[in-house]
Amino acid sequence: DTAVSQTPKYLVTQMGNDKSIKCEQNLGHDTMYWYKQDSKKFLKIMFSYNNKELIINETVPNRFSPKSPDKAHLNLHINSLELGDSAVYFCASSPGTGSSTQYFGPGTRLTVL
Amino acid sequence: AQTVTQSQPEMSVQEAETVTLSCTYDTSESDYYLFWYKQPPSRQMILVIRQEAYKQQNATENRFSVNFQKAAKSFSLKISDSQLGDAAMYFCARNSGAGSYQLTFGKGTKLSVIP
Repeated sequence: DTAVSQTPKYLVTQMGNDKSIKCEQNLGHDTMYWYKQDSKKFLKIMFSYNNKELIINETVPNRFSPKSPDKAHLNLHINSLELGDSAVYFCASSPGTGSSTQYFGPGTRLTVL
Repeated sequence: AQTVTQSQPEMSVQEAETVTLSCTYDTSESDYYLFWYKQPPSRQMILVIRQEAYKQQNATENRFSVNFQKAAKSFSLKISDSQLGDAAMYFCARNSGAGSYQLTFGKGTKLSVIP
């Protein structure tokens, strides 16, 4: 009965490849997020969707494309992977706006070789 | 850019003792929310405590409490009776206003607990 789940938990791939990370939440939340945590542990928002509509789109290379097929899912697709994309990617969800607590998934550690 | 500052990159505490982690932030909003998240070695982000800026009373959750000083824009976390399981990275975060979806995080404080 995991609240926010991500697959895979670990992803090792070569430069130039395309990969996807999937996120699902069973909390009935309206809003989902993608964060990137770099090697220095700094967490930064990348995207946010509310009811399948993109509401936050930070300065992220357009090689990153989020897709929300429904309210419970938010996937992250990354094209032409680069070494600098190596990081931990977290999915999160919340019932609504920033007054709501965000609940995080377990993270996906992406390593680009 | 609105920032959240955690001035202590690392701290340590003796088991059963009390430790305080500091956090300051800037904002032009009067109504906003503040959070402390814990990230143990498992890397799961776990909510520790949350404070609503319009509430003067400091939030508490069992051994965790905050000292919220709105005028000073300070939001410190106090951990009482520290346990080995409290060893983790602790992140302070602020949202950008009551209607905002965006959380801004500090750079984190790594807490070690000494047996």
